Amino acid sequence: DVQLVESGGGLAQPGGSLRLSCAASGFTFSSYSMNWVRQAPGKGLEWVSKISSSSTTIYYADSVKGRFTISRDKAKNSLFLQMNSLRDEDTAVYYCARESGSYSGIDYWGQGALVAVSS
Amino acid sequence: QSVLTQPPSASGTPGQRVTISCSGSSSNIGSNAVNWYQQFPGTAPKLLIYNNYQRPSGVPDRFSGSKSGTSASLAISGLQSDDEADYSCAAWDDSLNGYVFGTETKVTVL
Repeated sequence: DVQLVESGGGLAQPGGSLRLSCAASGFTFSSYSMNWVRQAPGKGLEWVSKISSSSTTIYYADSVKGRFTISRDKAKNSLFLQMNSLRDEDTAVYYCARESGSYSGIDYWGQGALVAVSS
Repeated sequence: QSVLTQPPSASGTPGQRVTISCSGSSSNIGSNAVNWYQQFPGTAPKLLIYNNYQRPSGVPDRFSGSKSGTSASLAISGLQSDDEADYSCAAWDDSLNGYVFGTETKVTVL
């Protein structure tokens, strides 16, 4: 079974940093593009970033461009999101999400990691 | 920032049919497949419909999807109490180079 397990969430101060990790199992991690999607409290889903299977193509939402960095480690079957210059509006549950290999879209989601930015 | 527009709520009695609309533009729904997700409070989204109308294994055929031009819709027939959840549409946007999600619709079973 496909499993995506996020870790690294927590409380950070405005202007601070956090690094999220996502451990993937149950599929050939190196063959799939991966995404981060977030959901602020009481709000809808917001796509954050995508990285291709070979890390050659990376996209970011305008809201995080220049502050967040997505990366992946093939040997560790892991996805990462380095979040710098955090703002109050970055407070959200962050989901690691796999992109389908056969159609355009996300097919599997992790359980989410809560990031709270507050002084 | 949601780019796809959905009604904030929809409701029906058990057994009824409920339809949720999702309106986008030529750069997202007009050009790419639409997927639908079901989400219960405090849990991760779950894929409900992919590629506009296809159902993953295990999703009841009470759920159906369709797409026309720059709009899509999700229909739930034979509404059941455990269908009470939030539903979101999503599509890749060629102009933004990212996924865009709908504004989320809360379905209530009366």
